[in-house]
Amino acid sequence: DAKTTQPPSMDCAEGRAANLPCNHSTISGNEYVYWYRQIHSQGPQYIIHGLKNNETNEMASLIITEDRKSSTLILPHATLRDTAVYYCIVGRGRDDKIIFGKGTRLHILP
Amino acid sequence: DAGITQSPRYKITETGRQVTLMCHQTWSHSYMFWYRQDLGHGLRLIYYSAAADITDKGEVPDGYVVSRSKTENFPLTLESATRSQTSVYFCASRQTSGAETQYFGPGTRLLVL
Repeated sequence: DAKTTQPPSMDCAEGRAANLPCNHSTISGNEYVYWYRQIHSQGPQYIIHGLKNNETNEMASLIITEDRKSSTLILPHATLRDTAVYYCIVGRGRDDKIIFGKGTRLHILP
Repeated sequence: DAGITQSPRYKITETGRQVTLMCHQTWSHSYMFWYRQDLGHGLRLIYYSAAADITDKGEVPDGYVVSRSKTENFPLTLESATRSQTSVYFCASRQTSGAETQYFGPGTRLLVL
């Protein structure tokens, strides 16, 4: 079973920041938080990952709470092309496999 | 730079037939994975491989066979296709060490009649 809990769907207005929450209350100390997204009919795409500190790249920011039991993916200026299913995953860097949950379906509204 | 490719992209077959889905990656990644995706189930891991000649079962391996004779190829075979195997199949690969970033192929859409 997936180790994360995400809302099944969310809406966000175009141009606004999209904040996608994820709960991972059973995360271990050596497990990372990863985010992927899947745009309709395409293969999943890696977005960002982090261990303890907040992370930012050209696509998004990842905010991890101090107790590491939850995190938030932030898309700073959402566009229609960001409409996708977003998956939050926890795992160790050297795990053989990762388990995808059902993710959050993000709708960007024009 | 082709990355990771899958073939065929679309396949229609009949119940009981053998079908092989191909996956090829050009990065020399050690790990390769096969997932299936169905409505209401998200992505489920079928099989994975840590290196050539090393394979292991995922969440839903029944009815599938894999092999990995070369690092760059990871074929998935349905020995006797069933209608329940109608799905979209994704192949993925990743490096040996470090972050668990997986790179996915474009998918194969399989319809079993």
